[in-house]
Amino acid sequence: GAVVSQHPSRVICKSGTSVKIECRSLDFQATTMFWYRQFPKQSLMLMATSNEGSKATYEQGVEKDKFLINHASLTLSTLTVTSAHPEDSSFYICSASRQEVREKLFFGSGTQLSVL
Amino acid sequence: QKEVEQDPGPLSVPEGAIVSLNCTYSNSAFQYFMWYRQYSRKGPELLMYTYSSGNKEDGRFTAQVDKSSKYISLFIRDSQPSDSATYLCAMSANAGKSTFGDGTTLTVKP
Repeated sequence: GAVVSQHPSRVICKSGTSVKIECRSLDFQATTMFWYRQFPKQSLMLMATSNEGSKATYEQGVEKDKFLINHASLTLSTLTVTSAHPEDSSFYICSASRQEVREKLFFGSGTQLSVL
Repeated sequence: QKEVEQDPGPLSVPEGAIVSLNCTYSNSAFQYFMWYRQYSRKGPELLMYTYSSGNKEDGRFTAQVDKSSKYISLFIRDSQPSDSATYLCAMSANAGKSTFGDGTTLTVKP
């Protein structure tokens, strides 16, 4: 199988601080990773596509300066929520795919962010 | 109009029932069709993957794709309480970027 590890699983922070979320593909190389946001009882909202060695592609309406994405290696992508505010509280999930079958997505376990 | 519409649910069935979950789509470029299962506060898990039209079976799960009608289904036979989760359909034209349905929450009662 393909395992994607996401950390932390839960984080509580004060308003104005920055939070970094890591997404690692443990047993395969992921040239592309995706970051999503999910509100309770709603589907996944794609935030950005992260490509190794290049700038992330953000979806319309997602602030790139607010949500910094770095994909420095073939197994690691990070999402940093800068100057977090209570409205940023949400469930964030990453996914990665193998090069040979890019449509099959393997998801991390998600990060519940709560901004006080 | 959304590109992918999924039967909203929620769906509640007795243990052992056959469950049918459905999605329609409007983008004729979609070629890859997936079903994911998501337990509460967890990341989705890939259940079924189908390329183009046809049926695919994996244990108690059967995925059907009808590209002429732009309609896909997931059938669960002999449903179990452990199948209780939210099911997401997803579709992709290429490059791995998928479009997801809103999900159907299924409860299987013992």
